[in-house]
Amino acid sequence: DQQVKQNSPSLSVQEGRISILNCDYTNSMFDYFLWYKKYPAEGPTFLISISSIKDKNEDGRFTVFLNKSAKHLSLHIVPSQPGDSAVYFCAASGGSQGNLIFGKGTKLSVKP
Amino acid sequence: GAVVSQHPSWVICKSGTSVKIECRSLDFQATTMFWYRQFPKQSLMLMATSNEGSKATYEQGVEKDKFLINHASLTLSTLTVTSAHPEDSSFYICSATGSRGRSNYGYTFGSGTRLTVV
Repeated sequence: DQQVKQNSPSLSVQEGRISILNCDYTNSMFDYFLWYKKYPAEGPTFLISISSIKDKNEDGRFTVFLNKSAKHLSLHIVPSQPGDSAVYFCAASGGSQGNLIFGKGTKLSVKP
Repeated sequence: GAVVSQHPSWVICKSGTSVKIECRSLDFQATTMFWYRQFPKQSLMLMATSNEGSKATYEQGVEKDKFLINHASLTLSTLTVTSAHPEDSSFYICSATGSRGRSNYGYTFGSGTRLTVV
């Protein structure tokens, strides 16, 4: 049973536009959410996180929104740049689980 | 910031041999290390969690006798793939959480190890 779901395996966006990556979760005990960026054959790089006491966290071009009632979070990248092209993983932790549960990832392609 | 060094970055080994992957926290004490495995186009799957000085906790379906994890110090954890087979070929990544002084560091990843068993 997948506790963290990223239903879009891929997303293509024009440079300069907004990229919106979505993530849904099923475990109401999750209280901490993270987004990672990953290039092939490299470890994930932390991008931004949000705790369940907030509904928005912003860091430069990256903003994460959390809707607890819908068990949904999203990552907004604006403006998108070609260097943002990578696989983005949503991850969650909390409750009795100290480890991260990852989604399957969304491959973002930003075209010049 | 926190840095986790993982090596080797890639390794090719023959079937039946064992391979050791090291994961070091360079500037903080890693009280907990996580080992993940990623198949092509799949998510990162947690294999095991280890706390310094105690036995690792393995996820369901992960053979503890095949994937030996040692976390003997606060800066080093190792994953040994014993009697490797081609189906063990994968990308292995470690992650560490810990502290340095009063600073807490969460979920810092190593750069990963590509294992190919021939």
